[in-house]
Amino acid sequence: GENVEQHPSTLSVQEGDSAVIKCTYSDSASNYFPWYKQELGKRPQLIIDIRSNVGEKKDQRIAVTLNKTAKHFSLHITETQPEDSAVYFCAAREGNEKLTFGTGTRLTIIP
Amino acid sequence: GAGVSQSPSNKVTEKGKDVELRCDPISGHTALYWYRQSLGQGLEFLIYFQGNSAPDKSGLPSDRFSAERTGGSVSTLTIQRTQQEDSAVYLCASEILAGTDTQYFGPGTRLTVL
Repeated sequence: GENVEQHPSTLSVQEGDSAVIKCTYSDSASNYFPWYKQELGKRPQLIIDIRSNVGEKKDQRIAVTLNKTAKHFSLHITETQPEDSAVYFCAAREGNEKLTFGTGTRLTIIP
Repeated sequence: GAGVSQSPSNKVTEKGKDVELRCDPISGHTALYWYRQSLGQGLEFLIYFQGNSAPDKSGLPSDRFSAERTGGSVSTLTIQRTQQEDSAVYLCASEILAGTDTQYFGPGTRLTVL
């Protein structure tokens, strides 16, 4: 089955700086890679996703890049703001197989 | 429209008792997942229902855990003879069609086993 590793487990950045979270996956057949954000005490919510036919996707201050050869993908948050503080989870799947999540990254934005 | 709902929102039980947690997915969603999240931890996969296929039960931690999905809609997660280590938030999520869309999470049930 799929195995997803996520790094770092915790990340602190100054407000306004950029944050990068990285994930690697094991199954080369995986073709869908979403990122979820979970604020304290709330449910996870999708913030961005990418499919294997695309190398990069942007949505305002967030972007995701995918390197299929190396089997890794990354979340980039620019111009970080206090409301970006949360736990971020990456995930991967192939087709209709179950979504496999990474272990999460706790991002803290320092004012 | 209505999102994924779960009940109860909180459940306190005594060690050894059985509990049932309910998930109402978004109408028309064919895929349903159960996850467990201990305090400050990640999402632990428990079970995955996809349409009429046999569920993927590979994440259930022991035979005390079971889940059903009736009529392709509502799901119930049952924990028998609860233990203190079962204390966690149990999250349900649904997808309109597995592999092609966003996974929407419910608010979770916080289970405390005394």
